Amino acid sequence: KAGVTQTPRYLIKTRGQQVTLSCSPISGHRSVSWYQQTPGQGLQFLFEYFSETQRNKGNFPGRFSGRQFSNSRSEMNVSTLELGDSALYLCASSPRGSEQYFGPGTRLTVT
Amino acid sequence: QKEVEQNSGPLSVPEGAIASLNCTYSDRGSQSFFWYRQYSGKSPELIMFIYSNGDKEDGRFTAQLNKASQYVSLLIRDSQPSDSATYLCAVSPGSGGSNYKLTFGKGTLLTVNP
Repeated sequence: KAGVTQTPRYLIKTRGQQVTLSCSPISGHRSVSWYQQTPGQGLQFLFEYFSETQRNKGNFPGRFSGRQFSNSRSEMNVSTLELGDSALYLCASSPRGSEQYFGPGTRLTVT
Repeated sequence: QKEVEQNSGPLSVPEGAIASLNCTYSDRGSQSFFWYRQYSGKSPELIMFIYSNGDKEDGRFTAQLNKASQYVSLLIRDSQPSDSATYLCAVSPGSGGSNYKLTFGKGTLLTVNP
């Protein structure tokens, strides 16, 4: 089976802009979770979608949002970018939500 | 705040030795426990998961869980230089339910010396 794919792999944006990241889960997986990884904070949970519904949410501001489509593909959006949003954004897919398999990530740099 | 604690290391072991990685967690209601391996510049890779008290073995890896002590560990037997990576412990409240938010530790850097 093909693994989790994420696009784009690298992104450079300016403060105040918005960005949309995309994730395609492993075929048959219905749960998609998003995480932010930074050197200082480590891996932090953003949100999880299952069958197009947000099932769990982390402690991030409302500027971070996401959605899931009927084919289980997911997108996350960050509006009004701040310098502190520079991070590796990781998508993970799972059949039910338990064991999660990560994609390669999108490296976002905000200048 | 629910926390997962790991010794940041680095943990250095000679090739062929047993590497022991430890993790403690604060949420007594946690049900699912995971170990991920992350090579520098790469994304985390799931290597073990354990849901019940006791040991679970998979090849050279053994995960150990003690819910009473809120402790989970990973043993790597016959360590190889290719095992050199950061090992992340992750904990989730969910097991058969719907809460699968993973809380990660900061990771332990393991170096296996030839």
